[in-house]
Amino acid sequence: QSALTQPASVSGSPGQSITISCTGTSSDVGSYNLVSWYQQHPDKAPKLLISEVTKRPSGVSNRFSGSKSGNTASLTISGLQAEDEADYYCCSHASEGGSASVVFGGGTKLTVL
Amino acid sequence: QVQLQESGPGLVKPSETLSLTCTVSGDSISSPSYHWGWIRQPPGKGLEWIGSIYYSGNTYYNPSLKSRVTMSVDTSQNQFSLKLSSVTAADTAVYYCASEYSSSPTYWGQGTLVTVSS
Repeated sequence: QSALTQPASVSGSPGQSITISCTGTSSDVGSYNLVSWYQQHPDKAPKLLISEVTKRPSGVSNRFSGSKSGNTASLTISGLQAEDEADYYCCSHASEGGSASVVFGGGTKLTVL
Repeated sequence: QVQLQESGPGLVKPSETLSLTCTVSGDSISSPSYHWGWIRQPPGKGLEWIGSIYYSGNTYYNPSLKSRVTMSVDTSQNQFSLKLSSVTAADTAVYYCASEYSSSPTYWGQGTLVTVSS
């Protein structure tokens, strides 16, 4: 079970849009619509932003959106704000050899310029 | 809303067993909606899923940790637990418990730092 691949860092200016990619395989992202995204500020627990590829929990800003194509999922943040500066992680259901598990991406640090 | 709280020793000696408990409030651990999971984060590093358990006792473990992990659930106390054996310094991390819905850790505890050191 290998970690999903995310860019180490992305940056953008306030008001801009950015997209963070999350690449997996046919054993995880490519086979299940069970991709989620998390935001983590320093010394805080991660916060769920997106579940099941596109679903936004109640209370999460509609500036956050998710999508998926093939083995790659994406998180888009529109109208960047200073408080969006954080680490972002993707997560997917995975299955290999008949055993189910969950796998995270390595994380992406978002800098708001 | 589900709330979770981790508890257990903050310091464990190398080769010993790390034991943590997560107390759930706001919902029953016997709810068929959730699995109950553990995730860890070494200092300055990313998240790693350790495993999860259903109220029935069915478990799902990270293949890379499977040989050292045991999870259990206590429905009478609305708690679930993690044991990680033969720990080394590489197991030093913040350990989070979480409710999982559709393979997404949804509600998270605040996390507890466990340091492996003699």
